[in-house]
Amino acid sequence: AQKITQTQPGMFVQEKEAVTLDCTYDTSDPSYGLFWYKQPSSGEMIFLIYQGSYDQQNATEGRYSLNFQKARKSANLVISASQLGDSAMYFCAILPKDRGSTLGRLYFGRGTQLTVWP
Amino acid sequence: DTAVSQTPKYLVTQMGNDKSIKCEQNLGHDTMYWYKQDSKKFLKIMFSYNNKELIINETVPNRFSPKSPDKAHLNLHINSLELGDSAVYFCASRGQNNYGYTFGSGTRLTVV
Repeated sequence: AQKITQTQPGMFVQEKEAVTLDCTYDTSDPSYGLFWYKQPSSGEMIFLIYQGSYDQQNATEGRYSLNFQKARKSANLVISASQLGDSAMYFCAILPKDRGSTLGRLYFGRGTQLTVWP
Repeated sequence: DTAVSQTPKYLVTQMGNDKSIKCEQNLGHDTMYWYKQDSKKFLKIMFSYNNKELIINETVPNRFSPKSPDKAHLNLHINSLELGDSAVYFCASRGQNNYGYTFGSGTRLTVV
């Protein structure tokens, strides 16, 4: 079974500050991928960053980085230098790979609503 | 040149009607999905097709029927719509060697 937990229903951060959005997961698969998606008020799902379970280094994509702590089963998203346009819902998701990648079923957390204020 | 396109973007309909949502991807991906996002924003998979073959069929009412005429298209047909079907429905696709998804922009279905 797969489970993603996002304990922060809402977060607030001032513009230009960094913010960490928490994500913990539970899986029995030894191989998996972790994703973060952004959903602005317009509704589309925007891919932000990916971390493979066997990747040695933490993933980074511009202002986004993933703080991956495998032993703790956590995959927190760090957004540096927040911008007003970062205000959105953020979802953490896991994709188990152990049965092969064919199924590709994503399991989502319940999301964190981030508000960036000036 | 939209990668995954869904139509319509908004759909308002009365209870009991039958409606379809269409999805097309031009990425050459083998696998397509339907996800439902409920009023609390929770996303859950409904169906998946790989090269026109149904590979995931979650516990959804059989009023929902996916159809994949080819690997670039995955449509969702819903019979006898109920109030509880109101949600945002997302189509997505994924390539064979790419673990990442590409989502469509979603279809907001409102049943009145």
